[in-house]
Amino acid sequence: DQQVKQNSPSLSVQEGRISILNCDYTNSMFDYFLWYKKYPAEGPTFLISISSIKDKNEDGRFTVFLNKSAKHLSLHIVPSQPGDSAVYFCAASPHTDKLIFGTGTRLQVFP
Amino acid sequence: DSGVTQTPKHLITATGQRVTLRCSPRSGDLSVYWYQQSLDQGLQFLIQYYNGEERAKGNILERFSAQQFPDLHSELNLSSLELGDSALYFCASSPTRLDTEAFFGQGTRLTVV
Repeated sequence: DQQVKQNSPSLSVQEGRISILNCDYTNSMFDYFLWYKKYPAEGPTFLISISSIKDKNEDGRFTVFLNKSAKHLSLHIVPSQPGDSAVYFCAASPHTDKLIFGTGTRLQVFP
Repeated sequence: DSGVTQTPKHLITATGQRVTLRCSPRSGDLSVYWYQQSLDQGLQFLIQYYNGEERAKGNILERFSAQQFPDLHSELNLSSLELGDSALYFCASSPTRLDTEAFFGQGTRLTVV
């Protein structure tokens, strides 16, 4: 039972445009959400997070939106750069329990 | 560089064998986590140690075991290996019990043939 779903395995975006990566979850007990970025041959690195008490969190070019009623979050990257090409994992944390990761979306930003 | 070191980076072994994966956490971090990432899967939490003691257990098979030593490094032991155990194994560490503060190592790619 996949509690955190990233239904798009890949996404291709032109440099300078917006990248939107989506994540859906099923467990209403999740109260903290994170996005990780992973380059080949490296471990995931923390990118941005959001608490369930918020609906938006922004950090530079990266913004995460949370829609609790739809159990959906998205990561917006504006403007996209070639260095953003990586696999992005969404993760959710039920309070006091362990992170649950999605399967990842591979983003490719082309010139 | 996250500061979390995993060795070896790659491992190829035969079915039925036993291997040990090693993880050195960031300096000062007390928690160590182990994750498995199989092909086209997300990271699956296996086990967490905090200051030498098992803190939480996830989907870890009985053939797998782990420990954290007094110097806080950790080892994940995988035995009676099967083809399906081929995966990336990540270690992460955090200063507290919270995995939301964790930093990941580069991973060990295990191939069972």
